[in-house]
Amino acid sequence: AQSVAQPEDQVNVAEGNPLTVKCTYSVSGNPYLFWYVQYPNRGLQFLLKYITGDNLVKGSYGFEAEFNKSQTSFHLKKPSALVSDSALYFCAVRDIGSNYQLIWGAGTKLIIKP
Amino acid sequence: GAGVSQSPRYKVAKRGQDVALRCDPISGHVSLFWYQQALGQGPEFLTYFQNEAQLDKSGLPSDRFFAERPEGSVSTLKIQRTQQEDSAVYLCASSPPQPGQPQHFGDGTRLSIL
Repeated sequence: AQSVAQPEDQVNVAEGNPLTVKCTYSVSGNPYLFWYVQYPNRGLQFLLKYITGDNLVKGSYGFEAEFNKSQTSFHLKKPSALVSDSALYFCAVRDIGSNYQLIWGAGTKLIIKP
Repeated sequence: GAGVSQSPRYKVAKRGQDVALRCDPISGHVSLFWYQQALGQGPEFLTYFQNEAQLDKSGLPSDRFFAERPEGSVSTLKIQRTQQEDSAVYLCASSPPQPGQPQHFGDGTRLSIL
């Protein structure tokens, strides 16, 4: 069965330190992978995607993600965290059997402490 | 506007009432999605439109839920005879039709059933 796992419910990082939010997936074939961020009382905002090509993908607000096929992972990273990065982060993968369905992770709450 | 617009942002209804939630997608976006999101959880797929055609309604929880997009732009999600378990945030998203294109979300409608 296809799935996405975000193993950490919450990640705490001090401001200025690097951050990583983990995502692993299980799909057959080549995955289309996405990261979204959600601030309180707002919709999900697209951060970045991996379709093909370079394994290191750069996105909005200084975030990047590394696609690792052997580990079936797509971890979100940022070199230096800001307090304003505190939010809920969702990883998603396209359902291989569909042209439109996304399989969503459960979300990781990121807290950046000043 | 430049983004997906949803109205109302907040809706309070008494159990048994009917409600209608509106989504105005990004101009030119062929695909439109409705999701239900519980607090702190990932979005749960409800239904998918390609232009005016509802291609997938497998996520609608009951026959009390009905969605339409008659002219291929604005969409309405209607819930009849609301129940307390319908309380949630309802998110709308739109995208171009290609599988690798990200979905763009509105800020949602928070529905509270008393």
